Amino acid sequence: EVQLVESGGGLAQPGGSLRLSCTASGFAFASYAMNWVRQAPGKGLEWVSTISGSVGGTYYADSVKGRFTISRDNSKNTLYLQMNNLRAEDTAVYSCAKARSPSIPYFDSWGQGALVTVSS
Amino acid sequence: EIMLTQSPATLSLSPGEGATLSCRASQSVASYLAWYQQKPGQAPRLLIYDASNRATDIPARFSGSGSGTDFTLTISSLEPEDFAVYYCQQRNNWPLTFGGGTKVEIK
Repeated sequence: EVQLVESGGGLAQPGGSLRLSCTASGFAFASYAMNWVRQAPGKGLEWVSTISGSVGGTYYADSVKGRFTISRDNSKNTLYLQMNNLRAEDTAVYSCAKARSPSIPYFDSWGQGALVTVSS
Repeated sequence: EIMLTQSPATLSLSPGEGATLSCRASQSVASYLAWYQQKPGQAPRLLIYDASNRATDIPARFSGSGSGTDFTLTISSLEPEDFAVYYCQQRNNWPLTFGGGTKVEIK
């Protein structure tokens, strides 16, 4: 069974930083693209970032480009999202999601999410 | 960036009725479109990928159609557990984008 468990959420001040982690199990982690998707309170889904499997190519939403960095440690089955220069509009539940197949970004398994609140 | 517009925003139906949800893209996404279902407090669930393929363990009452810019998710006969919010998502171009969602509520 695929399991994805996020950690690292919390309260940050505007301009501050947080690092999210997502620990994966139940599948060949290194073979799959992994993703971060966020959902602001009461709002819809917003794709944030994707990292490919072993090659590690990365993609970002314009809203986070230059501020967020996605990375992975395949030896630890862990996905990361380093978030710098946080803004109030980054407040959301951040979920990691597994791609349905190694290189195709549809999301077939999701974690329960980590709440990030950006406020002074 | 490809914009996905979902309509209607809310659909009020009774169990047993059929539902038709629309997703329109601002430019062609070929057949590279997925549909997700999200219930309150839960993670989204992949229903349909590549416009018309049901994901694993998705009941046959869910079907998808369309290509290019116009897509439809059809639920043939609503079960009580189908009342939820539905999102479309395209993977034809980066950045990936989601539609704003359609809420299917009990009438």
